[in-house]
Amino acid sequence: SQQGEEDPQALSIQEGENATMNCSYKTSINNLQWYRQNSGRGLVHLILIRSNEREKHSGRLRVTLDTSKKSSSLLITASRAADTASYFCATAYSGNTGKLIFGQGTTLQVKP
Amino acid sequence: NAGVTQTPKFQVLKTGQSMTLQCAQDMNHNSMYWYRQDPGMGLRLIYYSASEGTTDKGEVPNGYNVSRLNKREFSLRLESAAPSQTSVYFCASSARTGMTLEKLFFGSGTQLSVL
Repeated sequence: SQQGEEDPQALSIQEGENATMNCSYKTSINNLQWYRQNSGRGLVHLILIRSNEREKHSGRLRVTLDTSKKSSSLLITASRAADTASYFCATAYSGNTGKLIFGQGTTLQVKP
Repeated sequence: NAGVTQTPKFQVLKTGQSMTLQCAQDMNHNSMYWYRQDPGMGLRLIYYSASEGTTDKGEVPNGYNVSRLNKREFSLRLESAAPSQTSVYFCASSARTGMTLEKLFFGSGTQLSVL
């Protein structure tokens, strides 16, 4: 399977704390994307980082990419109860430009 | 803006019945996708269409067929439904920059139960 792996599978923190989620993948990529899914809803795109980028920011989100280790991390700073959701990484592999393969996700609970 | 619209939202089938899930996007995207989501499994790609006129298998294509009817529409058909196909199905679309896939826009999902 080309599916990436995410770590941890579940994370519970207090409001105001930072949350870090990690994603590892198996082969070379064009880009890596992070998505959020609120319970019972569709997925919403958060951020896309290309293979030639090392870090990207969007509001309270910070994504890093280490292509030598085939890994990425998503950091949510100053978390809020509204950040409670599942977070997925997805990889667009270099060898096939048509597919986006998702990891199994990290479930984040932010306690007020 | 409607974005990605998929129908129906809910469906219950009996084993052996057939049905088609419909998906349409109004963003002029070239690429469209069908995923299924099972508890603890994340999203798995069933089929995708990189551009109008082409379709390709994803990770879990068995038991499904697809049709890229035109640039807007991409349907998923279950010819003979099985309980293992009980899942939430998501359609998505994306633009492409050259040969590179951009971000996906998702529909709200179809919850399918096969009894």
